[in-house]
Amino acid sequence: RKEVEQDPGPFNVPEGATVAFNCTYSNSASQSFFWYRQDCRKEPKLLMSVYSSGNEDGRFTAQLNRASQYISLLIRDSKLSDSATYLCVVTVSGGYNKLIFGAGTRLAVHP
Amino acid sequence: NAGVTQTPKFRVLKTGQSMTLLCAQDMNHEYMYWYRQDPGMGLRLIHYSVGEGTTAKGEVPDGYNVSRLKKQNFLLGLESAAPSQTSVYFCASRKGAGETGELFFGEGSRLTVL
Repeated sequence: RKEVEQDPGPFNVPEGATVAFNCTYSNSASQSFFWYRQDCRKEPKLLMSVYSSGNEDGRFTAQLNRASQYISLLIRDSKLSDSATYLCVVTVSGGYNKLIFGAGTRLAVHP
Repeated sequence: NAGVTQTPKFRVLKTGQSMTLLCAQDMNHEYMYWYRQDPGMGLRLIHYSVGEGTTAKGEVPDGYNVSRLKKQNFLLGLESAAPSQTSVYFCASRKGAGETGELFFGEGSRLTVL
């Protein structure tokens, strides 16, 4: 079983739609959680951190469920520019604060 | 705003050839990483460094070597390239081992081994 699992998609949604991605992780000792965004043939960039209480940044909302070991990302009012791959990242305590990446979920927003 | 710079951006090698990828960061970050990204696999850690003069193995270190002689540079070497090493390589840096997970990535180096 992969340490971090995501639905690869693609999620094809029209502009204005609300879309949600889930990510599950296997290590209960995981400490920190993040969503990164990666555009086609580009490097990943941090989208937002995920806090225990949940957090929102504009149209994006991230939630963490430690008991069930999953995190989610909700995107409201999707824009064409949201088309990208969304990577779930989990850190596990260790000598170098190990970061584990999911394989990513691809989102395609169409007019 | 250079951030993290990788060279070269593209390279084609023949099986058995060697090469070095250079990563340079100008943010005075302690931690540096080399990842490879393959379709459906996500980013996998090859080697990392927690400071100048130190390196350690990640998940998939075989066939690669690294060096960090200067804090700002992290080199990834392929000793004898194999077709299985065809991939996109990303270098990343991070300020330290704190709770923040923000990695700053280079633009990637696309390597093809024939």
